[in-house]
Formats: sequence, structure tokens, C-alpha cells
Amino acid sequence: AQSVTQLGSHVSVSEGALVLLRCNYSSSVPPYLFWYVQYPNQGLQLLLKYTSAATLVKGINGFEAEFKKSETSFHLTKPSAHMSDAAEYFCAVRAGDSSYKLIFGSGTRLLVRP
Amino acid sequence: EAQVTQNPRYLITVTGKKLTVTCSQNMNHEYMSWYRQDPGLGLRQIYYSMNVEVTDKGDVPEGYKVSRKEKRNFPLILESPSPNQTSLYFCASSPLDGSNSYEQYFGPGTRLTVT
Repeated sequence: AQSVTQLGSHVSVSEGALVLLRCNYSSSVPPYLFWYVQYPNQGLQLLLKYTSAATLVKGINGFEAEFKKSETSFHLTKPSAHMSDAAEYFCAVRAGDSSYKLIFGSGTRLLVRP
Repeated sequence: EAQVTQNPRYLITVTGKKLTVTCSQNMNHEYMSWYRQDPGLGLRQIYYSMNVEVTDKGDVPEGYKVSRKEKRNFPLILESPSPNQTSLYFCASSPLDGSNSYEQYFGPGTRLTVT
């Protein structure tokens, strides 16, 4: 069965520092992978998605993620954190070949220090 | 503007008092789904619908009902809410043809408190 593990429920970085949020997945089929962001009191917004077209995926707000099949990872990065990046981030994988359900990780809250 | 809307955004109720959370999308999507979000657990699927009159259970369906009488609407019904249903609820939709690579579009969320 498909699953997602996000390492670190909280990540704290200084403004201007590199952001790295980790996501490992388990999937029995070629995966569709997603990163969503949730700002306080808001819904989930798609940051980026992997659909097998390219292993390095660029998203909105300067975020990108690299799909590494050998490591079953899809880590999210941003070269320089802004205060406005403070939010909760969720990694998700499509549940299966015939499914539209998304399996979510437990989320990582990003704190950005001035 | 393409969107998923939910009402109410916030709701405080008492144990056993039936309630309905509405969800509507204007993108003509066939697939709609309800999730609940709890700290440390991420989002878990409650129910989903592949089209009008076609619904099925997700991972945590106990205590919930849904209906899909119209393509755009997918209400979530709690017939006898209990405190363990206190949570943040999200409705989501997606087209069935995979044209968007199975991305789901989420509503703004409904924060429910059951006392």
C-alpha cells in the first residue's frame, strides 16, 4: 500500500537560509507525488507535483522538489527562506493506479526566524 | 474564479445535534472527496464520490454520511456528532480524466468543535 513519511514535524530556519523539508514515499506503482502548503486559517494550495515528466520539479514561490526513485524520496527545497514561507507543508502520493485518493504525510510546520 | 467552497467555515455544536457541512465546486469535476485533518495525522479521507449518485467510503467513514445528488455539491452529514469528530474538514475535487495529473483542489476548510 502507498504511504508517505515526512521527517520532522517542525523545521525552523533563519530568514535567507535554505529550506529542506523531507518526504519519503512507498508506492507499488509509478507514483504521482504532490507538495501542498497550508497557510494559517487557509485551505491547501498546491506547490508542485511530480508526474514522471521530469525528476526536478519547480513549483510556485521558488520551491522545487527532486524525485529520487532509488531513495524513494521527494524532498522539498527553497534556496532562501522568506518570512512568508511560514506554514504547514504536506507531502502526498496518489493512492494507486485506479485511485484518485491522495495519501498524505503527517505534515511539517516550517518556522522562519527573522 | 474556479473554486471549491465550504460552509460554514467554523462551527461549534453539541454532542448529538445533527449537522451538515456543505461543499460546492464550479469546475464541473466528477470526483469529490472529504478529508479530515488532525494534528500529527495529516489528512485522512472520509468519503469520496466518482460522480452523481456514486459514493464510497474512505479510510475513516464511521459517524459520517454523504450524498451526491448534483455534480457540483457534496455535503457531509454528521447525524449524531461526538467529541472525537472535532477536527478540521476539507472538501476537494478533481476531474476524472486525469488531465490535471490527479491534483485535487481544496476548499478553505471547516473547523468543527463538538462539545
